[in-house]
Amino acid sequence: QVQLQESGPGLVKPSETLSLTCTVPGDSIRSYLWSWIRQPPGKGLQWIGYLSYSGSTNYNPSLKSRVTISMDTSKTQFSLKLSSVTAADTAVYYCARENTALEAIDYWGQGTLVTVSS
Amino acid sequence: QSVLTQPPSVSAAPGQKVTISCSGSSSNIGHNYVSWYQHLPGTAPKLLIYDNTKRPSGIPDRFSGSKSGTSATLGITGLQTGDEADYYCGTWDNSLRVFGTGTKVIVL
Repeated sequence: QVQLQESGPGLVKPSETLSLTCTVPGDSIRSYLWSWIRQPPGKGLQWIGYLSYSGSTNYNPSLKSRVTISMDTSKTQFSLKLSSVTAADTAVYYCARENTALEAIDYWGQGTLVTVSS
Repeated sequence: QSVLTQPPSVSAAPGQKVTISCSGSSSNIGHNYVSWYQHLPGTAPKLLIYDNTKRPSGIPDRFSGSKSGTSATLGITGLQTGDEADYYCGTWDNSLRVFGTGTKVIVL
């Protein structure tokens, strides 16, 4: 069982930058894509983007201008930064592992609620 | 915003069967594998089906998937109270990950 865990502030002020981190199993990081997905209250899942071990990224066009997904140098955590947030960015944020061999997301974190409010 | 359309809800009595449809287009379902996810509130979503029809280890054969053209279907037989959850289909669309609108399964 692969455990993914999101961490970061649960409250962010409007116009500021939302920052979250996901801890991943160190021995598996090379073979997968590492994704962020969110779910606004009462709505469905929205894909934010992914990062590969090589450092390449792919972002949802609707968020691309505000999103950065990166990996730390230890290769045991990857992070999400979403700038200039508004109330519309309030959501449960999930980190997840995209398994290209399965063409599916095979593991998700529990999710963390981030509220944008002053 | 979702490019994949699912019914908002389906319902059936315990022991019965439900099917959930996922309708897309040639740019997504028509040319890519479909996966299905079960999401209980407050928990991590769980992969139920990948490659249109395959079940990961540990997923009971009560769950099945199929795909035809630009649509996919998830079937759940022998419905249990523990199956009451939200279900999402997912696939790729021009290299972007997309999800369905989500379907709530209600066990009567």
